[in-house]
Amino acid sequence: DIQMTQSPPVLSASVGDRVTLSCKASQNINKNLDWYQQKHGEAPKLLIYYTNNLQTGIPSRFSGSGSGTDYTLTISSLQPEDVATYYCYQYNSGWTFGGGTKLELK
Amino acid sequence: EVQLVESGGGLVQPGRSLKLSCVASGFTFSNYGMNWIRQAPGKGLEWVAYISSGSSYIYYAETVKGRFTISRDNAKNTLYLQMTSLRSEDTALYYCARGEPPFDYWGQGVMVTVSS
Repeated sequence: DIQMTQSPPVLSASVGDRVTLSCKASQNINKNLDWYQQKHGEAPKLLIYYTNNLQTGIPSRFSGSGSGTDYTLTISSLQPEDVATYYCYQYNSGWTFGGGTKLELK
Repeated sequence: EVQLVESGGGLVQPGRSLKLSCVASGFTFSNYGMNWIRQAPGKGLEWVAYISSGSSYIYYAETVKGRFTISRDNAKNTLYLQMTSLRSEDTALYYCARGEPPFDYWGQGVMVTVSS
């Protein structure tokens, strides 16, 4: 099974910061990766699909990149409403979520 | 507006069964693959099961294979998860989600607690 490792587990940042969240696969997942945002007490929301495609309605400050085993979610200018836990998800072989990165305000 | 509404959760003893439902509205249910995804209290997300639009393809996580059965009734716009031989580690909030992936719409979830 493919393992997905997200880092860091917890990230503290200030409003306006550029934030980078990492997701590493145990083997090549051929860009078959999505990113989800889950705010406290809410259902997850799709942010990015197939590595770098912004879901409709998601602010353009969110972007995704990567290839092979290494993938990144970037928030260009952190906003208070971005406080959430972020999960990556691979569907190249089996279907696996990463453990999540909890994003907090400093 | 797309809506997914789960029901059927509750407190159940280990070894017993429970059946979850997810009623869909606001889109043509029969055109989409559907999933169950769960989240144990304070933990991350775990994909549980997938069923294709016409029920031809069904996949399960290894942790539930042989115990859980996903099904759907396209005439009733409803997705199901039959859970048997429940264990304490099945305690979680169960979401239904639309997609092949990606999972573009999610319900609000239904809680299943397995405890004696």
